[in-house]
Amino acid sequence: KNEVEQSPQNLTAQEGEFITINCSYSVGISALHWLQQHPGGGIVSLFMLSSGKKKHGRLIATINIQEKHSSLHITASHPRDSAVYICAVRTSGSRLTFGEGTQLTVNP
Amino acid sequence: NAGVTQTPKFQVLKTGQSMTLQCAQDMNHEYMSWYRQDPGMGLRLIHYSVGAGITDQGEVPNGYNVSRSTTEDFPLRLLSAAPSQTSVYFCASSSRGGGATEAFFGQGTRLTVV
Repeated sequence: KNEVEQSPQNLTAQEGEFITINCSYSVGISALHWLQQHPGGGIVSLFMLSSGKKKHGRLIATINIQEKHSSLHITASHPRDSAVYICAVRTSGSRLTFGEGTQLTVNP
Repeated sequence: NAGVTQTPKFQVLKTGQSMTLQCAQDMNHEYMSWYRQDPGMGLRLIHYSVGAGITDQGEVPNGYNVSRSTTEDFPLRLLSAAPSQTSVYFCASSSRGGGATEAFFGQGTRLTVV
């Protein structure tokens, strides 16, 4: 079993829908990252969380340390949100362990 | 401020050839790492470094060498390329230690070994 599990693996939505991507992990962590990867592009950091909730524009990330679970929400989704969203946890020192990613497609 | 600069963006190698993927960061980060990304799998750690002169193996180090002679640069060397090394490679950096350290990634190198 992977230390970081994401669901769903693939998600298709219509423009304007509310989207949730989930991440569960099985190890002790010091922080959790949500990353975004566009087709053919690099990886950018969206959020880094160690507790609670963060919001940036239409994106919201939450984490429940006791339940070892995090969610990434996108409100009023748009086709430009189409990308792979990756959850990564920071374990010992500065090492990151990654989930497999969630491929999101938002149709107009 | 360029962040993490990774070159080349694309490369095709023949089996047995060698090459070096370059990675440089201008944020004075202590921690640098190389990952490979394969379909259906999360990014996997190849090698990492916690500072100049210090490197260590990650999850999938075989077939790759690294060195860290300066804080800024962390090149990844393929000594004798194999088709199994066809992948997308990412370099990343962060300041060392603790949880509150954001990770920065290069643009990736798409490597094909034929």
